[in-house]
Amino acid sequence: DGGITQSPKYLFRKEGQNVTLSCEQNLNHDAMYWYRQDPGQGLRLIYYSQIVNDFQKGDIAEGYSVSREKKESFPLTVTSAQKNPTAFYLCASSMELSTDTQYFGPGTRLTVL
Amino acid sequence: SQQGEEDPQALSIQEGENATMNCSYKTSINNLQWYRQNSGRGLVHLILIRSNEREKHSGRLRVTLDTSKKSSSLLITASRAADTASYFCATEKSGTGGGNKLTFGTGTQLKVEL
Repeated sequence: DGGITQSPKYLFRKEGQNVTLSCEQNLNHDAMYWYRQDPGQGLRLIYYSQIVNDFQKGDIAEGYSVSREKKESFPLTVTSAQKNPTAFYLCASSMELSTDTQYFGPGTRLTVL
Repeated sequence: SQQGEEDPQALSIQEGENATMNCSYKTSINNLQWYRQNSGRGLVHLILIRSNEREKHSGRLRVTLDTSKKSSSLLITASRAADTASYFCATEKSGTGGGNKLTFGTGTQLKVEL
């Protein structure tokens, strides 16, 4: 899991509540990413950020929001507008644009009751 | 649909056997990567092969890339029970202009039995 931490590991929320997932990295990486993984499926990109104070929508950004106020941190908020939020959420980071490998955190499993 | 599609979806072998997984993709790529995921954990990068490379080795791993067929294979030789995991290919499309956006396939679940 490298130098990326995600918290909490398991999260339970009631329907209609917003929830924020934490992602912190100490790898001095510029780029950070959020993915969603559903059972038996691959990863889908929610949001990504190339540098501080900048972020871009991925393939499934609706119902999610992010911020990148610090290089080390890229929190993801799952809003009540996300229709099916129960999933496994993975954060990743990579060095500058010329670097290809992404390093992943251990993931947060969100269950909305 | 996913840029990368792995085949087979699931594979069960005996320890010591070789395991081969395939990945097909649809558009031109800069590189193709393979990642491993243990159940309920994050992904770990295994190997990267660039579009101008045809074969790459790393320990017991061998990756091939055929850009004319838009396909790649991952071979794990002399498998061990500890190789049990899901394996994903991920492609970086060419001309994406940076940001290193990867598109992941649906994965192959490998089970290595004693």
